[in-house]
Amino acid sequence: AQKVTQAQTEISVVEKEDVTLDCVYETRDTTYYLFWYKQPPSGELVFLIRRNSFDEQNEISGRYSWNFQKSTSSFNFTITASQVVDSAVYFCALRGGGADGLTFGKGTHLIIQP
Amino acid sequence: DGGITQSPKYLFRKEGQNVTLSCEQNLNHDAMYWYRQDPGQGLRLIYYSQIVNDFQKGDIAEGYSVSREKKESFPLTVTSAQKNPTAFYLCASSMVRVAFFGQGTRLTVV
Repeated sequence: AQKVTQAQTEISVVEKEDVTLDCVYETRDTTYYLFWYKQPPSGELVFLIRRNSFDEQNEISGRYSWNFQKSTSSFNFTITASQVVDSAVYFCALRGGGADGLTFGKGTHLIIQP
Repeated sequence: DGGITQSPKYLFRKEGQNVTLSCEQNLNHDAMYWYRQDPGQGLRLIYYSQIVNDFQKGDIAEGYSVSREKKESFPLTVTSAQKNPTAFYLCASSMVRVAFFGQGTRLTVV
């Protein structure tokens, strides 16, 4: 069985601080895919990034960066110089090699205070 | 514009009634999914379909039914057998292993 754990239920920081959202996963698949989604108050899930299990390169996209470490089964997400518009619920998700849907963590509610 | 359209945005149901949630996509994606979201629970998979006229149960399929008669459409019926249907329902379609989501339907039992 697959499992995704986001231990941080809620994080509150002041604008311009850096913040890291943690994600730990469990899977028996040798090929798998990891994702981060953002859910603003409107409810729609917005795709942020996909990572393949065979590609451990870290990635940076503007103020966002992701740290994938297979040795610790973690896929953490860092926002640099946070902004109020970053306030949302962030979900980490896992998919195996098949097409049977995503396994989601319970999400981290990020609050950026002005 | 290409995307996934869910309707209605809000839905109220009386106990004992069946209701159908609509999901339409014009992205030409083969795979479609239904998820349920409860507060503090993340998203859980209800049903998914990889091709027309075929679908599979997810983790919490009891009390739900689906059909996939057209590639573009994947409606979800919440039946009276679903004991706790009040939730936020999200539809998704997938290509190259990336799922894109609709804006959701919030179902409330009154």
